[in-house]
Amino acid sequence: KAGVTQTPRYLIKTRGQQVTLSCSPISGHRSVSWYQQTPGQGLQFLFEYFSETQRNKGNFPGRFSGRQFSNSRSEMNVSTLELGDSALYLCASSLVGPFGEQYFGPGTRLTVT
Amino acid sequence: GIQVEQSPPDLILQEGANSTLRCNFSDSVNNLQWFHQNPWGQLINLFYIPSGTKQNGRLSATTVATERYSLLYISSSQTTDSGVYFCAVERGGGSNYKLTFGKGTLLTVNP
Repeated sequence: KAGVTQTPRYLIKTRGQQVTLSCSPISGHRSVSWYQQTPGQGLQFLFEYFSETQRNKGNFPGRFSGRQFSNSRSEMNVSTLELGDSALYLCASSLVGPFGEQYFGPGTRLTVT
Repeated sequence: GIQVEQSPPDLILQEGANSTLRCNFSDSVNNLQWFHQNPWGQLINLFYIPSGTKQNGRLSATTVATERYSLLYISSSQTTDSGVYFCAVERGGGSNYKLTFGKGTLLTVNP
């Protein structure tokens, strides 16, 4: 069974731009969660989607948004990028969630200059 | 919000040694998970353990929910065990679930 995939793996953007990251969960998994990892703040939960609905949300500003499609693939969008948004963005999938036994993708490394 | 503290923050071992990593949390939780992040950034789920003891090969974990701590045991460590070990606790209900991570224990296993 294929694992969780994330694209792109690396991204460089300029402050003020927006970015969209993609996550394809393990086949059959309906819950997708997103996390931000930075050296200063560590791993932080962004939001969780299940059956195309945002079910749970962490404490991030509205510039961070996401969506989930009918095939459970998920996208995360960050608008008006700030330098502090530079991070490793991880997604994880689980069978039902909200968290359950999670399987993580390799991450997208975003650098904002 | 809930506080999750991991100790020690750093640990250096010789191959073959045993170790115990600890995770303390400040409030009751629905569940607790242990993860290993390898040097390339990949996070692997090790245990999903709200209470009791589980074993998987050289690794085992024990969670004592009533006393708000969990322990991860690594026996006969190997260089491939190097990386950061995170515990994460799940709290909430309805549409207000949150997963909170500790800051991790950086483990280095030398040959």
